[in-house]
Amino acid sequence: EPEVTQTPSHQVTQMGQEVILRCVPISNHLYFYWYRQILGQKVEFLVSFYNNEISEKSEIFDDQFSVERPDGSNFTLKIRSTKLEDSAMYFCASSLVVFEQYFGPGTRLTVT
Amino acid sequence: SQQGEEDPQALSIQEGENATMNCSYKTSINNLQWYRQNSGRGLVHLILIRSNEREKHSGRLRVTLDTSKKSSSLLITASRAADTASYFCATDAWLGNKLVFGAGTILRVKS
Repeated sequence: EPEVTQTPSHQVTQMGQEVILRCVPISNHLYFYWYRQILGQKVEFLVSFYNNEISEKSEIFDDQFSVERPDGSNFTLKIRSTKLEDSAMYFCASSLVVFEQYFGPGTRLTVT
Repeated sequence: SQQGEEDPQALSIQEGENATMNCSYKTSINNLQWYRQNSGRGLVHLILIRSNEREKHSGRLRVTLDTSKKSSSLLITASRAADTASYFCATDAWLGNKLVFGAGTILRVKS
């Protein structure tokens, strides 16, 4: 069964550094998403992407964040200058229709 | 804003018993979904119920939806130790394409 994959599984970075989290969505899916989950808290929506542009973003998704689909298969989340509070599990999801979202295993980001 | 809230926050049962988790939300929804998350792992989609449906079954899972009360329940029958996980409800609205997750119920099934 096709699945969403994410790399790396764990990323440790120093405050102020840039990180890029990578995702390979399911191949025929059209919608792509990033969510995050701070330890012990809810899963929060960050951004959705469709037709090569952001279709919706949350208040969390400020100028420090950007997304890109650099080729036909990858979908990336960049955090320009990481802060301690960016430490979280980041989930990529994709869907063929909006509401049936399939999630990847997540990247645990630790900012020190 | 719509928001899923689950109760109880934590549930501990014996293997073989049934587990019931509830979710409430605040605004009109298009669909409601339940996800499972094993500790520190990704989200696994369990079941989706549409706003015009009242009940849905999938294996040992039974989901109900009461749109008048803005609530849903997830019943896991004949629970197993492997069902130990966190369970989240997530809703989506007619407009917009994000899922809004609740805080989750931590289920522990003791063998």
